[in-house]
Amino acid sequence: DTGVSQNPRHKITKRGQNVTFRCDPISEHNRLYWYRQTLGQGPEFLTYFQNEAQLEKSRLLSDRFSAERPKGSFSTLEIQRTEQGDSAMYLCASSLAASSGTQYFGPGTRLTVL
Amino acid sequence: GNSVTQMEGPVTLSEEAFLTINCTYTATGYPSLFWYVQYPGEGLQLLLKATKADDKGSNKGFEATYRKETTSFHLEKGSVQVSDSAVYFCALSDRGTGGGADGLTFGKGTHLIIQP
Repeated sequence: DTGVSQNPRHKITKRGQNVTFRCDPISEHNRLYWYRQTLGQGPEFLTYFQNEAQLEKSRLLSDRFSAERPKGSFSTLEIQRTEQGDSAMYLCASSLAASSGTQYFGPGTRLTVL
Repeated sequence: GNSVTQMEGPVTLSEEAFLTINCTYTATGYPSLFWYVQYPGEGLQLLLKATKADDKGSNKGFEATYRKETTSFHLEKGSVQVSDSAVYFCALSDRGTGGGADGLTFGKGTHLIIQP
């Protein structure tokens, strides 16, 4: 069990650029979640997938945010035309659909928008 | 909507002191409740959970009881150690609402500092 992995761990970009983050869940987990965490706050839920289906995306922060999980394994989160307010830690988690909601988190990708 | 409220930090205690971190919640369905911990420089780790009323979750000397009547899930430990210094997050997963969203709702976190 290698746990949830995320890449890159850190990303610095200039305002207006697009960024993409990758998440590899625990191999047998069919649910995958994305969260955003800003300084001094708890994680904020953004979206989730069950296998390749994106079952909730109304919590994405704006239409600049999108996520994919094309083959039901790894997922990507893209932010287009980044703004300074997008600077945050982006967390990925995974779980088994049959579990009681227990989610296992990756180490996160820290985004800094200059 | 769902929400979680936990006590403000930082909380500073001496080693071997008794710990309580308060957590209350608002949910429209039948939530599962969790405590996650974030040690310095590390990711979120599940500490304990409870899935129905009156359940007690426990791990590493920590425990919390799901109290539906008071909508609370307070975290306790009888004797804290320096190694318990971390940020603790209370969270809920709401089931049974039919809304489809299955993400966790977190509190803001409580920073715990244990002094030797």
